[in-house]
Amino acid sequence: DSGVTQTPKHLITATGQRVTLRCSPRSGDLSVYWYQQSLDQGLQFLIHYYNGEERAKGNILERFSAQQFPDLHSELNLSSLELGDSALYFCASSVGWKDEQYFGPGTRLTVT
Amino acid sequence: GNSVTQMEGPVTLSEEAFLTINCTYTATGYPSLFWYVQYPGEGLQLLLKATKADDKGSNKGFEATYRKETTSFHLEKGSVQVSDSAVYFCALRRLYGGSQGNLIFGKGTKLSVKP
Repeated sequence: DSGVTQTPKHLITATGQRVTLRCSPRSGDLSVYWYQQSLDQGLQFLIHYYNGEERAKGNILERFSAQQFPDLHSELNLSSLELGDSALYFCASSVGWKDEQYFGPGTRLTVT
Repeated sequence: GNSVTQMEGPVTLSEEAFLTINCTYTATGYPSLFWYVQYPGEGLQLLLKATKADDKGSNKGFEATYRKETTSFHLEKGSVQVSDSAVYFCALRRLYGGSQGNLIFGKGTKLSVKP
């Protein structure tokens, strides 16, 4: 158990819909990273937040957005969902951005 | 740009066989290198890491040496067990030059160990 929690574990939704994925980092960790794991693209970095502020963006679509709240949990919002958005979404947390990242168990999103 | 290339799987071995999973990287500067393992239905766990050239990371019988001259970080284990069956990811992380510490992963190598 890494100490990072993600909810929900599974999510099934239809094309065009909007979903929110939630991540609670380990106690004391200020950095939260979001990654997407898909069969064709592999594991890709989406976005990084540090202490409530966005610090870096990777291959994140404009339909996707994220935020980190004052209690340091983070949410990833995916809208206008397409079949190709079906993937495992992981969050990882670390104390600071130079420290080891600990991964949550992931949320499996299926878009039908 | 920065990238990681690792050998395609799946790799199937018998118990107690020797394991090598090749990983090479392309990066500017001096990245840190990692091996992560993903067991079925779980998230990624850090297996080992190396932060500078010639460093050797080791954990649970696995080893990898940071080779700057060949830009490689091959994973090895002398005697695999059934419980090592998992997907292994090589990754790099740059801490400078505009990076904010995000990991860049290879595509993963699935290892199956038969009794």
